[in-house]
Amino acid sequence: DIQMTQSPSFLSASVGDRVTINCKASQNINRYLNWYQQKLGEAPKLLIYNANSLQTGIPSRFSGSGSGTDFTLTISSLQPEDVATYFCLQHNSWPYTFGAGTKLELK
Amino acid sequence: QVKLLQSGAALVKPGDSVKMSCKASGYTFTDYIIHWVKQSHGKSLEWIGYINPYSGGTNYNEKFKSKATLTVDKSSSTAYMEFSRLTSEDSAIYYCARRSSFDYWGQGVMVTVSS
Repeated sequence: DIQMTQSPSFLSASVGDRVTINCKASQNINRYLNWYQQKLGEAPKLLIYNANSLQTGIPSRFSGSGSGTDFTLTISSLQPEDVATYFCLQHNSWPYTFGAGTKLELK
Repeated sequence: QVKLLQSGAALVKPGDSVKMSCKASGYTFTDYIIHWVKQSHGKSLEWIGYINPYSGGTNYNEKFKSKATLTVDKSSSTAYMEFSRLTSEDSAIYYCARRSSFDYWGQGVMVTVSS
């Protein structure tokens, strides 16, 4: 199985900060990497698909980059409503696997 | 708009089975696969498998192959997952999600396994 190593596990930042979250795959997954946001008590929401494509309706402060094994989710200017846990998912090969999550809080 | 409406929470005894549903609306049900995902309390997500509503074809994570059975009812645009021989390790929230991108998710079903 492909292991997805996500970092950091926990992140504290201020409103307006630039925030980056990383996912590293244990082998090449091309660009088959998605990012999700999960708020407390809610289902995950798709933010970015195929490494860098912004899902419809998602604010442009969210962006994704990377290919191969290293990927990054960037929030250009953190907003209070961005407090959540963020997950990556590789869908290059079965079984699909998720990162362990990054819990983002406001400082 | 696209919605995936899942069945309600379940309290089941060890060794029993549970069957949960995921009713799709707002799109043509047979156009996209449905995934099932497990989220254990406070932990990350595990992909269980998917079903193609058009063909009924399935693909399971080896870890869940003997545990989960995925089916669909095209007439009601509903996908089902049955989880068998439940243990405390199966207590979790189970989600359905649409398409290879997992673009829409159901609200989740909380399953508690307890005697």
